[in-house]
Amino acid sequence: KAGVTQTPRYLIKTRGQQVTLSCSPISGHRSVSWYQQTPGQGLQFLFEYFSETQRNKGNFPGRFSGRQFSNSRSEMNVSTLELGDSALYLCASSPRTGYEQYFGPGTRLTVT
Amino acid sequence: GDSVTQMEGPVTLSEEAFLTINCTYTATGYPSLFWYVQYPGEGLQLLLKATKADDKGSNKGFEATYRKETTSFHLEKGSVQVSDSAVYFCALSASQAGTALIFGKGTTLSVSS
Repeated sequence: KAGVTQTPRYLIKTRGQQVTLSCSPISGHRSVSWYQQTPGQGLQFLFEYFSETQRNKGNFPGRFSGRQFSNSRSEMNVSTLELGDSALYLCASSPRTGYEQYFGPGTRLTVT
Repeated sequence: GDSVTQMEGPVTLSEEAFLTINCTYTATGYPSLFWYVQYPGEGLQLLLKATKADDKGSNKGFEATYRKETTSFHLEKGSVQVSDSAVYFCALSASQAGTALIFGKGTTLSVSS
């Protein structure tokens, strides 16, 4: 079974721009979660989607948003990028909410 | 709030040495506990899990036991290999928080031959 895929793998953006990251979960998985990984803050939960509905949200500003499509694929969007948004963004899928998560390789976002 | 504390690294060992990485947690209710591993340039891989007290998770020679009385989930391996060099994360999932994982800061393990 194919794993979680994320596109693009690397991205360079300028402060003030917006960015959209994509995640395709493992086939049959309906829950998708997003995490931000930085050297200073470590791994932090952004949000979780299940059946196209946001189920849970972490402590991030409204510039961070996401959505899930009917095929369970998910996107996250960051508007008005700041230098501090530079991070590895990880997507994880799960068969359903509350089960163990399987992570993708991440998208490395650099904001200059 | 819920939190995970794991020992600071880096941990440097010789091949075939015994490994322990300490992890303690604070949580209300009965969380599920996980160990994830991250190799350079990659995402996280689930190493093992335990969902209730006294459960022992094991995989690839690694083991961890869910100790409710000491709120701990220490990772152990009897004989490490160079290929085990990676960053190890302890994490919890509180049942009332859906799937959201709370991670420790991570422990870097370096194994030399």
